[in-house]
Amino acid sequence: DQQVKQNSPSLSVQEGRISILNCDYTNSMFDYFLWYKKYPAEGPTFLISISSIKDKNEDGRFTVFLNKSAKHLSLHIVPSQPGDSAVYFCAAPYTGTASKLTFGTGTRLQVTL
Amino acid sequence: NAGVMQNPRHLVRRRGQEARLRCSPMKGHSHVYWYRQLPEEGLKFMVYLQKENIIDESGMPKERFSAEFPKEGPSILRIQQVVRGDSAAYFCASSPRQGEGNQPQHFGDGTRLSIL
Repeated sequence: DQQVKQNSPSLSVQEGRISILNCDYTNSMFDYFLWYKKYPAEGPTFLISISSIKDKNEDGRFTVFLNKSAKHLSLHIVPSQPGDSAVYFCAAPYTGTASKLTFGTGTRLQVTL
Repeated sequence: NAGVMQNPRHLVRRRGQEARLRCSPMKGHSHVYWYRQLPEEGLKFMVYLQKENIIDESGMPKERFSAEFPKEGPSILRIQQVVRGDSAAYFCASSPRQGEGNQPQHFGDGTRLSIL
């Protein structure tokens, strides 16, 4: 049961433009959501999170938006830089516990010059 | 480097052998999580441990897999009698307490297990 879904396996964006990565979820009980960034042969690195009581959280070039009615969240990166090229995972804790995360399948972002 | 340390980075085993994967959490972290990533998939939770205790092993296969986090030393994920389907990247994460939005899990760089 895939409770967190990333339907776009890849995205290509020009340097300086905005990158928008999307994530849908099915479980309305999730308390918060996280975005992780992963380079090849490395572990995921925490990027930004958002509580379910908020609809926006911003950290520098990264902003996450949450639309609870649509069960949808998105990560905006602006301006995009070549170093942002990586796989991005959204994740949420399993219902009833903050101890284990369920991950989407990831979106590979390629920022071109 | 005070990050999560995993070793070995790469491990090759023949079918039927045992694989031992080690994880040292970040300094000050007492909660350890193991995840497995198959090619082209997201990470799947396996087990959550605190020192000397398995808190949640709902993601662990029922047979051949075990995990421990002893009082002293790293956490160990052990796979007995490995099969080709065990080939994957295994990631360990740690947190200072039960993971929450403001205390995210921090991941190691993983162990790539290949079964011949």
